[in-house]
Amino acid sequence: DGGITQSPKYLFRKEGQNVTLSCEQNLNHDAMYWYRQDPGQGLRLIYYSQIVNDFQKGDIAEGYSVSREKKESFPLTVTSAQKNPTAFYLCASSELDITSTDTQYFGPGTRLTVL
Amino acid sequence: EDQVTQSPEALRLQEGESSSLNCSYTVSGLRGLFWYRQDPGKGPEFLFTLYSAGEEKEKERLKATLTKKESFLHITAPKPEDSATYLCAVRDSNYQLIWGAGTKLIIKP
Repeated sequence: DGGITQSPKYLFRKEGQNVTLSCEQNLNHDAMYWYRQDPGQGLRLIYYSQIVNDFQKGDIAEGYSVSREKKESFPLTVTSAQKNPTAFYLCASSELDITSTDTQYFGPGTRLTVL
Repeated sequence: EDQVTQSPEALRLQEGESSSLNCSYTVSGLRGLFWYRQDPGKGPEFLFTLYSAGEEKEKERLKATLTKKESFLHITAPKPEDSATYLCAVRDSNYQLIWGAGTKLIIKP
């Protein structure tokens, strides 16, 4: 079964901690994305990657970092510099790069809560 | 500024009561309008892509239409399992994807 997996489903962070959210896809998609979803707001783009070893900042990249060492994997680290990280984080992928009309497919999400 | 607005924020219907959700947009050079369904605590599930005014797409009880300023998601004779939040997103001429805040649909049996 092809798809996108995210782990963990729930994550709790203490003040000052860095945490890493996992995203893996077996759809052979070139592009991958990270979004943040807050209640009452549209999805906001954090980072995206069109190719291995390359990634671009989205609208709200401050306090976050990513890597793309493999085509299938695009982990997101929420650093201690992100002052309000409590949110639902969504990973997505698409066949072509961001400069296209291609459809994005989403993983199940990770809910991050700051204690 | 490019903007996507969905209305209403929430909609409660009786089972079988047809209605429509609205997605209005102001973007420079539409390069696609996307509809997704999202269940609580889950990722969005792709429904439709519309590219030009006049285009329509259907899937089971759902039908999406597109004009130059807005899109409608028509729900015919809905069932309780159609309850979800429906998200609209628009890709502009810079290929940026702009998301609406969603409409929460509740179908009562």
